[in-house]
Amino acid sequence: GNSVTQMEGPVTLSEEAFLTINCTYTATGYPSLFWYVQYPGEGLQLLLKATKADDKGSNKGFEATYRKETTSFHLEKGSVQVSDSAVYFCALITGANSKLTFGKGITLSVRP
Amino acid sequence: DAMVIQNPRYQVTQFGKPVTLSCSQTLNHNVMYWYQQKSSQAPKLLFHYYDKDFNNEADTPDNFQSRRPNTSFCFLDIRSPGLGDAAMYLCATSRESFRGGEETQYFGPGTRLLVL
Repeated sequence: GNSVTQMEGPVTLSEEAFLTINCTYTATGYPSLFWYVQYPGEGLQLLLKATKADDKGSNKGFEATYRKETTSFHLEKGSVQVSDSAVYFCALITGANSKLTFGKGITLSVRP
Repeated sequence: DAMVIQNPRYQVTQFGKPVTLSCSQTLNHNVMYWYQQKSSQAPKLLFHYYDKDFNNEADTPDNFQSRRPNTSFCFLDIRSPGLGDAAMYLCATSRESFRGGEETQYFGPGTRLLVL
């Protein structure tokens, strides 16, 4: 079956620090990969996505590259802001069904 | 501008008293989903509609029901809420691709349910 593994959290960084959040996956077929962000008390917002190998998704300074050889989709940002404090979920969908498989999520806190 | 709308944002109900949460969408997507999210956990899929076809997850309790009267609206009914049903309930939509289920899901802001 499908699964998504995210690095353990929480993560606390100072403003303007470099961010990496690791995500690896196991899937049958060729999944589409997603990062969702959830701000406190809110629903999930799509942050970025990639639908095939070597695609790079990017949005709001965040980037992630679909690496088929390492089955990874790590999230990066060069300079985080306090407003980036949220929970980040890595997720995938395969063509076998319409169901999102989520990682456990990781809480990011950015200090001024 | 809101694309997936959930009302209310906060709902308080009493133990055992039926409650209905609503979701509407302006995206004209044919697939709608209901998720339950408990504190510090990932969302858990309860069921989804592909057009009018209802698809229940095997481990979704019978206490949870859903209705989709038209493309735009979907309701989550909890027949007899227990304390363990207190959670955030998220609605999502997607457009089913002719290639298969790989289309992006768009989430609403959620309804936080409190059971007293």
